[in-house]
This record gives sequence, C-alpha cells and structure tokens, in this order.
Amino acid sequence: SQQGEEDPQALSIQEGENATMNCSYKTSINNLQWYRQNSGRGLVHLILIRSNEREKHSGRLRVTLDTSKKSSSLLITASRAADTASYFCATDVGATNKLIFGTGTLLAVQP
Amino acid sequence: DAGITQSPRHKVTETGTPVTLRCHQTENHRYMYWYRQDPGHGLRLIHYSYGVKDTDKGEVSDGYSVSRSKTEDFLLTLESATSSQTSVYFCAIGTITGELFFGEGSRLTVL
Repeated sequence: SQQGEEDPQALSIQEGENATMNCSYKTSINNLQWYRQNSGRGLVHLILIRSNEREKHSGRLRVTLDTSKKSSSLLITASRAADTASYFCATDVGATNKLIFGTGTLLAVQP
Repeated sequence: DAGITQSPRHKVTETGTPVTLRCHQTENHRYMYWYRQDPGHGLRLIHYSYGVKDTDKGEVSDGYSVSRSKTEDFLLTLESATSSQTSVYFCAIGTITGELFFGEGSRLTVL
C-alpha cells in the first residue's frame, strides 16, 4: 500500500490564487519531499523537509510538516499557469535511502 | 540537467519476450532506482541499488530483475514481459542528501 496519500486528487484554481496540497503518511520518516511532474516528463525535486523541521520555504513554495499527525502540506503562492502539473509527496523511511511516493495531486492553474 | 538518460524511451513488445531498459548516469552517484508509474498508483519502487553489485527489492519487484556492474549503469530486465507490465518506467539517481533526480521515462507497451 502507498505510504503517502495526497489530498485533493485534483485541484483547479485561477492564476494568482494560492494552491494547497496535503500529504498524509503512515510510518515514521527521516524526511519528506515534494516533487513536480509536468505532463509526459520526469519528476523534478522541489523541496525536502527533515523530520525535525516544521516549516520550510523555497521561493513561492511553503512546506509544513506535522509529525504528530503524520501529515505535510505544500502551499504554492501566487500561482501561475506554468505551475500546472502533478505534485507528489515522497517519504524517506528507514536507513535505505529509498523514497516511497504518494499518488499525487493534479493541479490545473487557469490563466 | 542531472546527467541521467534512459533508453529506449519507447518500446512496444509482445507478451513473453524479454525486455531490458537501461539507465545511465554521468554523476557518479551511489544510489539508483527504478520506479514504474501507472494511473491511480503514482510511482512504485521496483528495485534500487546502493552500489555496484548491491541491489535490493522494492514494493513491486515480482517479474523484474536488475543489474549494476558499473556505477554509471543500472539495468532493469523483464525476463518474460506480460501485459500488466505495460507502464512508464522511471530511473532515478539519489544524492547523498536524499533528493532524487529522475530520467525522462521509458514508455513500455506489452501487447
């Protein structure tokens, strides 16, 4: 079964609005990462947050992590049409450096 | 670009035939991964490698084998392809800090 589950599965917003995606996971983690995938392309790493961190920023991205609730959220502020993509959370568990991915959120930003 | 290439990018084959997908990196990273991506399932880990000749199974390893005889190459083999192995296959390399860099994917169709 999937370690991470994103919510919502699909999200449609207007350009300039903020987009929030959530990720829940099941077991203890070393870190949690977010990736973006444009249609027909490989995944691109966005941001990594470690288990002892609560919030991290990168440009228009803000990630929070709540280990007590086993959940994370990705906020994209002032969205652009170019942000249209699928977004995946991935968790790093154990000592093996392998990432387990969720099923993704499909974000559509309307111009 | 992360210096990772997959070949072939597209392949159509028939049930029962062997198929080998190749992943090549120029970054000298220790960790390499093979994932498959299917609608509704996100990315699922097939096999991964943490060094030359050091490999281990992921979530969905049945029907797949891997080999890593050189740091730069990680091969995924389907000994006898089945229709359920129709998918998009992604190779990734892992950095020492835990982020993954992905190739552009190999689309395999098994008829």
